Amino acid sequence: GENVEQHPSTLSVQEGDSAVIKCTYSDSASNYFPWYKQELGKGPQLIIDIRSNVGEKKDQRIAVTLNKTAKHFSLHITETQPEDSAVYFCAAPRSNDYKLSFGAGTTVTVRA
Amino acid sequence: GAGVSQSPSNKVTEKGKDVELRCDPISGHTALYWYRQRLGQGLEFLIYFQGNSAPDKSGLPSDRFSAERTGESVSTLTIQRTQQEDSAVYLCASSLKFGASGPSYEQYFGPGTRLTVT
Repeated sequence: GENVEQHPSTLSVQEGDSAVIKCTYSDSASNYFPWYKQELGKGPQLIIDIRSNVGEKKDQRIAVTLNKTAKHFSLHITETQPEDSAVYFCAAPRSNDYKLSFGAGTTVTVRA
Repeated sequence: GAGVSQSPSNKVTEKGKDVELRCDPISGHTALYWYRQRLGQGLEFLIYFQGNSAPDKSGLPSDRFSAERTGESVSTLTIQRTQQEDSAVYLCASSLKFGASGPSYEQYFGPGTRLTVT
């Protein structure tokens, strides 16, 4: 099955700086890579995703990049704000399977 | 529109009791997933329903865990003879089978049920 590894486990940044989280996956057939944000006491919320036919996707201050050759994808948050503080999860599907394998999560803290 | 809802939001139970957790998926979503999230950890897949197909139960940790779904609507996750290690947040997610560009992997999560076994 798909094995997804996520780094770092915790990340503290100064407000206004950028944050980068990286995930690697094992199944070269995987073709969909979402990122979820989970705030305290809430369920994960899909914030951005990318399919394997593109290398980068942006949505305002967040972007995801994909390197299929190296089997890794990254979340970039620019101009971080206190409300970006949360746990972020990456995921990838198993081939021919709708289930997602999730990374262990990254706790992001934005210092004011 | 309405998102995924779960009830109760919190449940405290004594060790050995049975509990039922409920999930109402987004209307029209044929796929439904249950996950377990222990404190400070990631999401552990439990079970997957897709339409009228046989559910994928490969993630259920023991035979004390079971789940049912009526058609493409409500699902209940039942834990029998609860143990302290069952304490966790139980998350439900739903998705369409097919989106605009092919098979849909986008999962939409509910707020979860926090289960505490004392």
